[in-house]
Amino acid sequence: AQSVAQPEDQVNVAEGNPLTVKCTYSVSGNPYLFWYVQYPNRGLQFLLKYITGDNLVKGSYGFEAEFNKSQTSFHLKKPSALVSDSALYFCAVRAGYNQGGKLIFGQGTELSVKP
Amino acid sequence: GAVVSQHPSWVICKSGTSVKIECRSLDFQATTMFWYRQFPKQSLMLMATSNEGSKATYEQGVEKDKFLINHASLTLSTLTVTSAHPEDSSFYICSARTTIPTDTQYFGPGTRLTVL
Repeated sequence: AQSVAQPEDQVNVAEGNPLTVKCTYSVSGNPYLFWYVQYPNRGLQFLLKYITGDNLVKGSYGFEAEFNKSQTSFHLKKPSALVSDSALYFCAVRAGYNQGGKLIFGQGTELSVKP
Repeated sequence: GAVVSQHPSWVICKSGTSVKIECRSLDFQATTMFWYRQFPKQSLMLMATSNEGSKATYEQGVEKDKFLINHASLTLSTLTVTSAHPEDSSFYICSARTTIPTDTQYFGPGTRLTVL
């Protein structure tokens, strides 16, 4: 069965420091991986995705993620965190075309960036 | 990016009444729409998947007679919570999938339902 794990409930970072939000996955076949961000009482905003190609994917707001097949990971990174990056981050894997494209989400990681 | 709207953004209703939530893809046609439920500080739980013109596919444990989904067009899906009870209070989020230019899902802003 497909699954996504975000091992950290919360990540605390000082503004200006690099940040990493971890994600590992388990899926049969080729994974389609996504990162979304959610601000309080809002829906999810798409950040980036990996379908195929370069392992390093660049997305919105300066975020990037590295696909590592051997470690089955897709960690989200940003070189210099901003206070406005504080939000809830979700990693997701798509279950494949024969599943209608539904996304399976990790449990979420709350990122807190302090000035 | 593509925009998905939800209406209403919040609703308060009495126990026993029904509530309809609309989800629209504003600038693209959605091949598939999804409905999620989210409890505070928790992940999204997929409730159902709907394709235009066909019956929704519900996830295990989701009552289809309780949560009625209608996908009337390629840009509109509705979720009706029938005979709502306080335990149905939650944040409901829809998403719309498009394959043009690439396969991506866009999420609505969510609807906060409070049942008194």
